[in-house]
Amino acid sequence: DVKVTQSSRYLVKRTGEKVFLECVQDMDHENMFWYRQDPGLGLRLIYFSYDVKMKEKGDIPEGYSVSREKKERFSLILESASTNQTSMYLCASSLYSGAGRTSNQPQHFGDGTRLSIL
Amino acid sequence: GENVEQHPSTLSVQEGDSAVIKCTYSDSASNYFPWYKQELGKRPQLIIDIRSNVGEKKDQRIAVTLNKTAKHFSLHITETQPEDSAVYFCAASTVKGAQKLVFGQGTRLTINP
Repeated sequence: DVKVTQSSRYLVKRTGEKVFLECVQDMDHENMFWYRQDPGLGLRLIYFSYDVKMKEKGDIPEGYSVSREKKERFSLILESASTNQTSMYLCASSLYSGAGRTSNQPQHFGDGTRLSIL
Repeated sequence: GENVEQHPSTLSVQEGDSAVIKCTYSDSASNYFPWYKQELGKRPQLIIDIRSNVGEKKDQRIAVTLNKTAKHFSLHITETQPEDSAVYFCAASTVKGAQKLVFGQGTRLTINP
């Protein structure tokens, strides 16, 4: 069974702090994703990565950056946290869909980190 | 870019009745449409998905239909049970390889005993 582990379930930080959210998957997936979930807005993609050291902006990348130094780990960084970044953050992973693989690989999610910025 | 609209935002049905959640998408290149269920305090979990070369797919009490011409797809849950209470998200994917998903806003389904 795929396991996607997020380092913290709850996190409280202050405005202006640099915040790191960590995500680890154990299924050798190429793709990893960071979403934020807000009531009435669904899941919105912040950044994703399809390979080590590769990253692409999602729909709402402003105020965030990411790091993928190892295949199993994808970090989300809030360079200078602000109150409007208070949210639930979800990490997901999936296999890369390409030659020799079934198309449309499902994404597997972690339990989420509820981040509060005070 | 792709935009996915989901309705209704809340849905309340009597146990045993059917529930239908509808989504529309904007990008005709989208070719993969998964549905996720998120129970309170838990992670979203894939419950069913459909590819653009199929019009309907069924798995026990849940089914998904896709109308490519109209660019909409729907989730149908029959004989609803209390454990079906959750938030349901539809999504659409336009990119192979990394397969970036665009999600709908979610539907909170409540099954009344």
